[in-house]
Amino acid sequence: GAGVSQSPSNKVTEKGKDVELRCDPISGHTALYWYRQSLGQGLEFLIYFQGNSAPDKSGLPSDRFSAERTGGSVSTLTIQRTQQEDSAVYLCASSLIRANYGYTFGSGTRLTVV
Amino acid sequence: RKEVEQDPGPFNVPEGATVAFNCTYSNSASQSFFWYRQDCRKEPKLLMSVYSSGNEDGRFTAQLNRASQYISLLIRDSKLSDSATYLCVVNIKDRGSTLGRLYFGRGTQLTVWP
Repeated sequence: GAGVSQSPSNKVTEKGKDVELRCDPISGHTALYWYRQSLGQGLEFLIYFQGNSAPDKSGLPSDRFSAERTGGSVSTLTIQRTQQEDSAVYLCASSLIRANYGYTFGSGTRLTVV
Repeated sequence: RKEVEQDPGPFNVPEGATVAFNCTYSNSASQSFFWYRQDCRKEPKLLMSVYSSGNEDGRFTAQLNRASQYISLLIRDSKLSDSATYLCVVNIKDRGSTLGRLYFGRGTQLTVWP
């Protein structure tokens, strides 16, 4: 597609349930990033994938969070045993290989844990 | 200390005004610089890259001072449609990384009134 596609756009889940968020990056973009943004807060880095290299997981807030990227394209962010503090907008972005390009963001998944 | 610091505002200016936003970054290894714009409940979108020589895109002018680790954005002849949050962003490339990743400021909120 022309842009970064994320699904679902909204997700309401009960505390303790697992959720999966999906990101389909721009075709040809080798780098894929996950950020989250809580209400009124800045963007918090979670994880990034670059080509076939091991992902940078340094931003994942706990071991309940994991992500994978299959075939160098689609990525799934999984949150296990969700907590209320996980409520946020989860944003995926992709980028070309050159560092002087910015990222293109998807429209995000708004996660609400009740 | 945060990697990127911005005055959160809000800035409230009349149409036609000139407004300037400033940003400082803490890591001298920062390699590329951007301004993003984020509308309410939307994803961030790249506004412009920032180059050492300074650069202009229509009514928008960006400046970078590497010695002072300072970035600015000037908006001339403000329009109602400029109302948004402006995010200062730096790319820091860790050793061994091809791309690095983006660090976002918390954003400066701008409201342009008629």
